[in-house]
Amino acid sequence: NFMLTQPHSVSESPGKTVTISCTRSSGSIASNYVQWYQQRPGSSPTTVIYEDNQRPSGVPDRFSGSIDSSSNSASLTISGLKTEDEADYYCQSYDSSNWVFGGGTKLTVL
Amino acid sequence: EVQLVQSGAEVKKPGESLKISCKGSGYSFTSYWIGWVRQMPGKGLEWMGIIYPGDSDTRYSPSFQGQVTISADKSISTAYLQWSSLKASDTAMYYCARLNSAYFDYWGQGTLVTVSS
Repeated sequence: NFMLTQPHSVSESPGKTVTISCTRSSGSIASNYVQWYQQRPGSSPTTVIYEDNQRPSGVPDRFSGSIDSSSNSASLTISGLKTEDEADYYCQSYDSSNWVFGGGTKLTVL
Repeated sequence: EVQLVQSGAEVKKPGESLKISCKGSGYSFTSYWIGWVRQMPGKGLEWMGIIYPGDSDTRYSPSFQGQVTISADKSISTAYLQWSSLKASDTAMYYCARLNSAYFDYWGQGTLVTVSS
């Protein structure tokens, strides 16, 4: 089994750009799709990025995803930050019928 | 509209059994895997297992194998998560979610389980 490691927290000002990383401990990051979920306090998670870089309908194009094989990591980038983006963000991937979530990153927009 | 509606909050004592539910609607329930995810208070998301309601094929996370049982009744489009003997450490929010290829695209509202003597 593998792990996905995320920074515990990040903070940035409204209007700026922030990037959250997600590093896979073993196996290639490119071998299985990476997803990103947003969870606001008291709410269920929702998908903001799936299959590495795809946005579900309704998710603004301020959200983008990418993977970097050299660092074996995935990234979620949010540009033009808004206060409503303040939430916990989780990356997720899988292999061999085992789905794994990262530990989550708390994004503060201040 | 795809919806997953979970059963209500539960308060139980250690050693008691429990079965919570997740009812799907707005799509072909037998054509998508349903997963269960635990979120302990103030903590992150943990994948527990998945079930394919079409044939009840079930996979468990190694961390939860033997600790819970996942089942489904396709006749009423409902998936279940059950415990035979609850522990205080089972106190958490539990979410069901539909698996669409590689990711969970629709989530239930969550069921809060509190285990306390």
